[in-house]
Amino acid sequence: QVQLVESGGGVVQPGGSLRLSCAASGFTFSSSGMHWARQAPGKGLEWVALISYDGRIKYYADSVKGRFIIFRDNSKNTLYLQMSSLRPEDTAVYYCAKDHWSYTHYGPLGYWGQGTLVTVSS
Amino acid sequence: QSVLTQPPSVSAAPGQMVTISCSGSSSNIEKHYVAWYQQLPGTAPKLLIYEDNKRPSGIPDRFSGSKSGTSATLGITGLQTGDEADYYCGTWDNSLSVVFGGGTKLTVL
Repeated sequence: QVQLVESGGGVVQPGGSLRLSCAASGFTFSSSGMHWARQAPGKGLEWVALISYDGRIKYYADSVKGRFIIFRDNSKNTLYLQMSSLRPEDTAVYYCAKDHWSYTHYGPLGYWGQGTLVTVSS
Repeated sequence: QSVLTQPPSVSAAPGQMVTISCSGSSSNIEKHYVAWYQQLPGTAPKLLIYEDNKRPSGIPDRFSGSKSGTSATLGITGLQTGDEADYYCGTWDNSLSVVFGGGTKLTVL
């Protein structure tokens, strides 16, 4: 079955950097568009970024554009989110998610990992 | 401020029916398929409805979706206490992004 396991979360100071990873299994990762979404404590869902199945197309939410980079390694079945210039408002649980269909990246988000918590605080 | 607008909360008694609305615009809901997600307390979101009204395997037919113009609706019949959760609508937007509603908390009284 589809499994998505995020890692890399933790506490970081404002202005710092962090890299999240998402290990995928149970499906053909190299055929799947992937997403990162986040949820601040007690708040709703916010989409963060997407990457096409081949890594050529990347889109970002305005709130993270220029600070976050999404990338993937299809040989390792792993998705990444490099976060820099972190702000307190970036504090959230970060989820990776698989696009429902193969070879697309427009959503819906068909499968979600359990998330990893990122806390930006001094 | 979410791009899609949902009521913050809805409630109904067990066995009853409830609907959750999701309002968008011509750049998102009107032009693209709508999905609904269920987030049970303390868990990750789960896809409930896709392509406006289709259910992934394993989702009971008590859950239904519809769309008209710039609005979409999630319906849940035969409410159960286990349906208590946050529900989110989501879709693609012409700004090249996925957009979500602010979420609706369902309470089964």
